[in-house]
Amino acid sequence: SQQGEEDPQALSIQEGENATMNCSYKTSINNLQWYRQNSGRGLVHLILIRSNEREKHSGRLRVTLDTSKKSSSLLITASRAADTASYFCATDAGNQFYFGTGTSLTVIP
Amino acid sequence: NAGVTQTPKFQVLKTGQSMTLQCAQDMNHEYMSWYRQDPGMGLRLIHYSVGAGITDQGEVPNGYNVSRSTTEDFPLRLLSAAPSQTSVYFCASSSGPWGEQYFGPGTRLTVT
Repeated sequence: SQQGEEDPQALSIQEGENATMNCSYKTSINNLQWYRQNSGRGLVHLILIRSNEREKHSGRLRVTLDTSKKSSSLLITASRAADTASYFCATDAGNQFYFGTGTSLTVIP
Repeated sequence: NAGVTQTPKFQVLKTGQSMTLQCAQDMNHEYMSWYRQDPGMGLRLIHYSVGAGITDQGEVPNGYNVSRSTTEDFPLRLLSAAPSQTSVYFCASSSGPWGEQYFGPGTRLTVT
């Protein structure tokens, strides 16, 4: 399966701290995306990084991509209680789109 | 602009019953897909469509059928429900398989 894996599975931090989560995948990709899911809701797109990019920023989010290691990381800086959610990486393989198993982030006020 | 809509929000079926989960989008997206989400499993692709009249299987297609007669609609049919199909189902659309996916709110299905 192309499905990626996030690490760690769960992460708990204090408000104001940075949160880092990692994603590994198995085959070549065109791009990698990160999504957030609040409890009981649909997924919301956060950021897309193309295979020829190494780093991308969006607000408090920083994503890196290392295609040689088939891995990506998502950094959320200065976390807030509202960042509490599950975070998924997603990769493409042909016409199919695969999600990882997710990291559950809890930000404690 | 409603985005991606799904109905129903909740459904309880008995084993062997059939039903259709509805999905519609108003963004004129060519690519639509169905996922199921189970605890600890992330989202798994069931079926997808790259345009009206074209569908294909994803990672876990068994027990499900789809059709795409219009750009807007992509219904998912459960032919004979089984307890293993208890899950949360999400429909998504995008301009292409490599683009940002827009998700519906999900349908929580329980099969008893």
